[in-house]
Amino acid sequence: DTGVSQNPRHKITKRGQNVTFRCDPISEHNRLYWYRQTLGQGPEFLTYFQNEAQLEKSRLLSDRFSAERPKGSFSTLEIQRTEQGDSAMYLCASSPGTGMAGELFFGEGSRLTVL
Amino acid sequence: GQQVMQIPQYQHVQEGEDFTTYCNSSTTLSNIQWYKQRPGGHPVFLIQLVKSGEVKKQKRLTFQFGEAKKNSSLHITATQTTDVGTYFCAGPKTGANNLFFGTGTRLTVIP
Repeated sequence: DTGVSQNPRHKITKRGQNVTFRCDPISEHNRLYWYRQTLGQGPEFLTYFQNEAQLEKSRLLSDRFSAERPKGSFSTLEIQRTEQGDSAMYLCASSPGTGMAGELFFGEGSRLTVL
Repeated sequence: GQQVMQIPQYQHVQEGEDFTTYCNSSTTLSNIQWYKQRPGGHPVFLIQLVKSGEVKKQKRLTFQFGEAKKNSSLHITATQTTDVGTYFCAGPKTGANNLFFGTGTRLTVIP
């Protein structure tokens, strides 16, 4: 399978715990995006990387959220001290190229439930 | 901040009827993309429009980008049950590369 891979697919945690999600993009893609989606809403932009550089981070993202892409390949999204409002589907997408934003290839997502 | 709104939020049609969803951005977009998300699935890319006033067709789907590059539409002719899902527009404002998604239009097709 050469698509975008996300792990774990489902995560149930207690409020206050830390969680980490991993995204493996399509291998030749330079750009990697993280989105959050709640039921009935559109994907909400969180952050994106061009290779290993994090170029933009949403102002909606509190300091409890951090993302890395250390070698310009896979990426991790960590949420510290989870809150019930963090419950959502976390989507990763990758995109080739370095110019105008193009087609995003999404993974299946990681669903987080905070109890 | 940038906002991308879509109308209607929901649309129920009889199979065979046409369907249109409209997308409006608060800022000028460098391009507009459309995605389809089936229930329980992830967004899947449909098309990208770049030029002002551009119109593209994919079989029964017609996509249009407004002259001011702030609005777009998706029209489906003679809907089929396979068209069921939520349709999102998305675009980066001029000079940026982070895509903001619209609020989506959820299409239900009644057989």
